[in-house]
Amino acid sequence: SQTIHQWPATLVQPVGSPLSLECTVEGTSNPNLYWYRQAAGRGLQLLFYSVGIGQISSEVPQNLSASRPQDRQFILSSKKLLLSDSGFYLCAWMVRTSGSYNEQFFGPGTRLTVL
Amino acid sequence: QQQVKQSPQSLIVQKGGISIINCAYENTAFDYFPWYQQFPGKGPALLIAIRPDVSEKKEGRFTISFNKSAKQFSLHIMDSQPGDSATYFCAASTAGRRALTFGSGTRLQVQP
Repeated sequence: SQTIHQWPATLVQPVGSPLSLECTVEGTSNPNLYWYRQAAGRGLQLLFYSVGIGQISSEVPQNLSASRPQDRQFILSSKKLLLSDSGFYLCAWMVRTSGSYNEQFFGPGTRLTVL
Repeated sequence: QQQVKQSPQSLIVQKGGISIINCAYENTAFDYFPWYQQFPGKGPALLIAIRPDVSEKKEGRFTISFNKSAKQFSLHIMDSQPGDSATYFCAASTAGRRALTFGSGTRLQVQP
């Protein structure tokens, strides 16, 4: 069965510090991978998605970046965090087989607080 | 045209009652409509999904009703329980788009 991991689970960082959040998926190959951000009490904002190694699409311009160094690894980074970067960061994966229902599954999330 | 509009923003239902959450869309190319359930501090979990070739799908106490002509779909939770208290998100996608478009979410509170 497939499993998605995110770490760390919680993170408190000062403004201006760098960020690296990691997501890995087990039990599947060649998935689509996604990063979402959820502000407190708000909806899901798609940040980046990737259809393959080294292929990143950005949905919202900001000071964040994403990389996919391996098939099942997705990393979200920032060189300098802003207060507005605080939120709940969710990684997700999607089946890529043809004829699928585009089922998307989420990880447990990382709670980021920027002080 | 990629938007999915969800209502209400919050909902309070008594135990045993029916919870109804509605979503509307504009993009007629959408062909997959899932609902997600999210508990505080957790990632959203896929609850139930429907394709536009059917008007209703039922799984246990959860039912999706789909109205293609009105471009609307809704989630019905029968016999609502306090354990159903969570935030619910509708979403939609097309075969050609690689990501889901989410509604803004509905916070459901089921009172005992």
